[in-house]
Amino acid sequence: DAGVIQSPRHEVTEMGQEVTLRCKPISGHDYLFWYRQTMMRGLELLIYFNNNVPIDDSGMPEDRFSAKMPNASFSTLKIQPSEPRDSAVYFCASSSVNEAFFGQGTRLTVV
Amino acid sequence: RKEVEQDPGPFNVPEGATVAFNCTYSNSASQSFFWYRQDCRKEPKLLMSVYSSGNEDGRFTAQLNRASQYISLLIRDSKLSDSATYLCVVRFNQAGTALIFGKGTTLSVSS
Repeated sequence: DAGVIQSPRHEVTEMGQEVTLRCKPISGHDYLFWYRQTMMRGLELLIYFNNNVPIDDSGMPEDRFSAKMPNASFSTLKIQPSEPRDSAVYFCASSSVNEAFFGQGTRLTVV
Repeated sequence: RKEVEQDPGPFNVPEGATVAFNCTYSNSASQSFFWYRQDCRKEPKLLMSVYSSGNEDGRFTAQLNRASQYISLLIRDSKLSDSATYLCVVRFNQAGTALIFGKGTTLSVSS
């Protein structure tokens, strides 16, 4: 297995634009997590899914953020409209029972 | 009170030193515990799980104190390559629960 795959690796966009981040989890993992990491706040859990169903989205900052998992092999995190304060590294991770494996992250810069 | 708290450091130690990190968690129902390592501009990766009886992996020893709700990581004979951020991770083992990360402790080992 190639591990958790995220795309794009880097994204630079202008304020107000829509941004879509993508994630392909490891096959067979039934949990998928979206995290955001900044120097100030560390690694924050945004939302996670269990068997494609959103379980807890209390970490989603506001209505501008939305996440979907239409099937077991794909998830998206969308920001619309984007703002400069959304600039961060966004990680997707998947797990089965215990250990979580992370993708390489998407470094988002909103200018 | 935050769910998982760590001393951010940085811890600056010479090669060969022994260094210990502590982490406290707020939810007494927490069941699974881990230490992750994150290198600069990389994704977090599992370093080791933490078991109730304590466990050792080479130069690394992890311990859990449920009564006081803290986890520790001891690194003996530090190497330059140990320089990284160490993340304390807690999971509540009820059905459908997520991994919660501390902000991490930064270690810098110098020659």
